[in-house]
Amino acid sequence: DTGVSQNPRHKITKRGQNVTFRCDPISEHNRLYWYRQTLGQGPEFLTYFQNEAQLEKSRLLSDRFSAERPKGSFSTLEIQRTEQGDSAMYLCASSPPFGPRGVEQFFGPGTRLTVL
Amino acid sequence: AQSVTQLGSHVSVSEGALVLLRCNYSSSVPPYLFWYVQYPNQGLQLLLKYTSAATLVKGINGFEAEFKKSETSFHLTKPSAHMSDAAEYFCAVSAPGGGSQGNLIFGKGTKLSVKP
Repeated sequence: DTGVSQNPRHKITKRGQNVTFRCDPISEHNRLYWYRQTLGQGPEFLTYFQNEAQLEKSRLLSDRFSAERPKGSFSTLEIQRTEQGDSAMYLCASSPPFGPRGVEQFFGPGTRLTVL
Repeated sequence: AQSVTQLGSHVSVSEGALVLLRCNYSSSVPPYLFWYVQYPNQGLQLLLKYTSAATLVKGINGFEAEFKKSETSFHLTKPSAHMSDAAEYFCAVSAPGGGSQGNLIFGKGTKLSVKP
């Protein structure tokens, strides 16, 4: 069990550019979540995958955001035409299947995005 | 709908003193409740969770929390603060089966400072 990993850890980009982040969940965790955390706030839910299916999206996930989990393993989060308001820490978390062990979410270290 | 309120964005205690971090929740279904800790530039680590079993929950690093349904509270305590406890603490609620997919709703966080 190597934990949830996220790459890159830091990303600096110019306004208008596209960026993509990757999340590798704990193996055998079929559930995967993306959250966004801005300075001085708690994480806010963005989207949820169960296996490869994207089952829930927050209103925070505008049309410029897209997430995928093509084979039910790693996931990517892409932001198109970045804006300064997108600057935040993007956190990924994974969980085992629903059941007694499926309550807890295990978080990765996050990707910090700075949009200049 | 679920929500979390953490009273006090910043709490300061002396080393060896009692730590008390307050959390009140709102949930339309029986909730699951969590406390996470976040160190600078890192992801979130689970301290403890309440999943409708014992109302007094013991976690890692000497922390514990008590679920009080009548007060809709889940306050976090530690009898004796250590310098290494200085971090940001987040209370979170989820309600699987209540129309969500288990995504967490976080409070705004409480930053704990420990004075020598």
